[in-house]
Amino acid sequence: DTAVSQTPKYLVTQMGNDKSIKCEQNLGHDTMYWYKQDSKKFLKIMFSYNNKELIINETVPNRFSPKSPDKAHLNLHINSLELGDSAVYFCASSQVISGSFAGELFFGEGSRLTVL
Amino acid sequence: TQLLEQSPQFLSIQEGENLTVYCNSSSVFSSLQWYRQEPGEGPVLLVTVVTGGEVKKLKRLTFQFGDARKDSSLHITAAQPGDTGLYLCAGVKDGATNKLIFGTGTLLAVQP
Repeated sequence: DTAVSQTPKYLVTQMGNDKSIKCEQNLGHDTMYWYKQDSKKFLKIMFSYNNKELIINETVPNRFSPKSPDKAHLNLHINSLELGDSAVYFCASSQVISGSFAGELFFGEGSRLTVL
Repeated sequence: TQLLEQSPQFLSIQEGENLTVYCNSSSVFSSLQWYRQEPGEGPVLLVTVVTGGEVKKLKRLTFQFGDARKDSSLHITAAQPGDTGLYLCAGVKDGATNKLIFGTGTLLAVQP
């Protein structure tokens, strides 16, 4: 059983379209994240949810909207896609041990988004 | 300027050589982790260090957290082709909550 699973793995779309990426974790963790990895392999945090509540919202265009229907799922919807949105998007989950310790992050395999 | 700078950015070595990867910051971190990422996969945790000056060993890998908790290093002894991958340090800043910030990454290639 895959611990953190994302779908789709690949997504090719035109500029201006709207797309969604889904993420599910079966580890029983209470915190989930979205990270964006650019072409230089830099991983930047976008959002974090703890028990369905948004706790981290980095400087991300409001075209990006996360949704957490329950603590095992965190989806990412992107409106009006732009060329610069092309990247690999990683979902991750963790069990936070204390306020200043993220715990081990378990990552999905990533969703490669290509905007043409 | 990124918060966690790694060096070198790229490293290509022969099997059997030793290497060290550095992760530096001007900020203090309450904890620091090292991950390895292989192509087409997500990063996987190698180690977590939480105490200044802490040294942890994982087989041929040695991790050190700086005394001031601003930097860390990863040393690999007798590198093998299986060590090939992207190495990422990541930390939680003092006073931050749950926010794991990743370093700029070091891409290691070990040639047989």
